[in-house]
Amino acid sequence: GAVVSQHPSRVICKSGTSVKIECRSLDFQATTMFWYRQFPKQSLMLMATSNEGSKATYEQGVEKDKFLINHASLTLSTLTVTSAHPEDSSFYICSAKSGTVSNQPQHFGDGTRLSIL
Amino acid sequence: QQQVKQSPQSLIVQKGGISIINCAYENTAFDYFPWYQQFPGKGPALLIAIRPDVSEKKEGRFTISFNKSAKQFSLHIMDSQPGDSATYFCAARGGANNLFFGTGTRLTVIP
Repeated sequence: GAVVSQHPSRVICKSGTSVKIECRSLDFQATTMFWYRQFPKQSLMLMATSNEGSKATYEQGVEKDKFLINHASLTLSTLTVTSAHPEDSSFYICSAKSGTVSNQPQHFGDGTRLSIL
Repeated sequence: QQQVKQSPQSLIVQKGGISIINCAYENTAFDYFPWYQQFPGKGPALLIAIRPDVSEKKEGRFTISFNKSAKQFSLHIMDSQPGDSATYFCAARGGANNLFFGTGTRLTVIP
């Protein structure tokens, strides 16, 4: 159980394009979803936290107008990288957590590798 | 600022040996300490986790040792296998349920 599906797994697009990444919890209701960014051989850096039906909370230094997050249902959150540029190329990973109590673990998707030409 | 410090950066272990990865933290408000295993091109997978009121947790070949007073915790992989070769991340959970990750340890188990 606790499967998180992320789509697409890889995107290659031209500079200036907007890219949407989907994160779905397949067998549980995700009240909270997290979006991370990971550069090669580096750790995961939290970008934002989203709760179903409310606005996402962004970490310091993350542009909310650049990285649009929507968590419209208990099983789906989307990250849209608007007007992507080469420096946005990275591995984006989502995770999902069920329930409102703090003892539920985060379950991660397999990530999306974004390459901007 | 790195909230969770992890060492070593890379580790090479012979098959059958013990792999040990160490982490340290400063924030005493952290309430949950998971370890994740990540293979190339994949997302992290939860391996084992511990809460600060427990000093040790064992699941199969994986053991977490937790020293609350020293604010340190470690992962021990017994009888390491080539299939264990991956990057391991320790993490700590803060009050907003956010996870703070260590910098990762690339483990290579030599046959």
